[in-house]
Amino acid sequence: GAVVSQHPSRVICKSGTSVKIECRSLDFQATTMFWYRQFPKQSLMLMATSNEGSKATYEQGVEKDKFLINHASLTLSTLTVTSAHPEDSSFYICSARVRLAGGPSDTQYFGPGTRLTVL
Amino acid sequence: GQNIDQPTEMTATEGAIVQINCTYQTSGFNGLFWYQQHAGEAPTFLSYNVLDGLEEKGRFSSFLSRSKGYSYLLLKELQMKDSASYLCAVRGVTGGGNKLTFGTGTQLKVEL
Repeated sequence: GAVVSQHPSRVICKSGTSVKIECRSLDFQATTMFWYRQFPKQSLMLMATSNEGSKATYEQGVEKDKFLINHASLTLSTLTVTSAHPEDSSFYICSARVRLAGGPSDTQYFGPGTRLTVL
Repeated sequence: GQNIDQPTEMTATEGAIVQINCTYQTSGFNGLFWYQQHAGEAPTFLSYNVLDGLEEKGRFSSFLSRSKGYSYLLLKELQMKDSASYLCAVRGVTGGGNKLTFGTGTQLKVEL
């Protein structure tokens, strides 16, 4: 299968601090990873597309200076929430795109998510 | 842009069959995915359709009609563990054809 891990799974921080979330593809290389945010009882909203070795592509309305994305290797992408505020509290999920042997198409496999609470 | 509609909630009985519908309006179409998401967890991939017709995988089947902008996920022999949110997601053609747009999800409750 395609396993994607995220760390940490849960983080609580004070307002104004920065938080880094890691997303790793464990058994495959991913040139493209995606970062989503999900508020309670709402669907996943794509924040940005992370491309290995190049700048991330941000969705409209997402502040690139606030949500810093680095995809320095084929197995690791990081999302840093800078100067976090309570309204940034959310469930952050990453995914990696891969085509498995015998699979029908490129499919996104998701990490377990990171619950961020900003006090 | 993309617009995806699914029912908010559904309730079904253990052992029964349930069909979760999804309609979409898109400016470009490059496949439709169904994911299952338990509370507080990340989505897990269930199925993928890009051509019209039915795809069957064990207890789960997914159907697509591109002309109608319509898909459904069929769950057979329901089990209590199937209680979860089911997300319909459409892959567009912009952004290299990689981006998924998700519906709000259908919360399925399986009862005894």
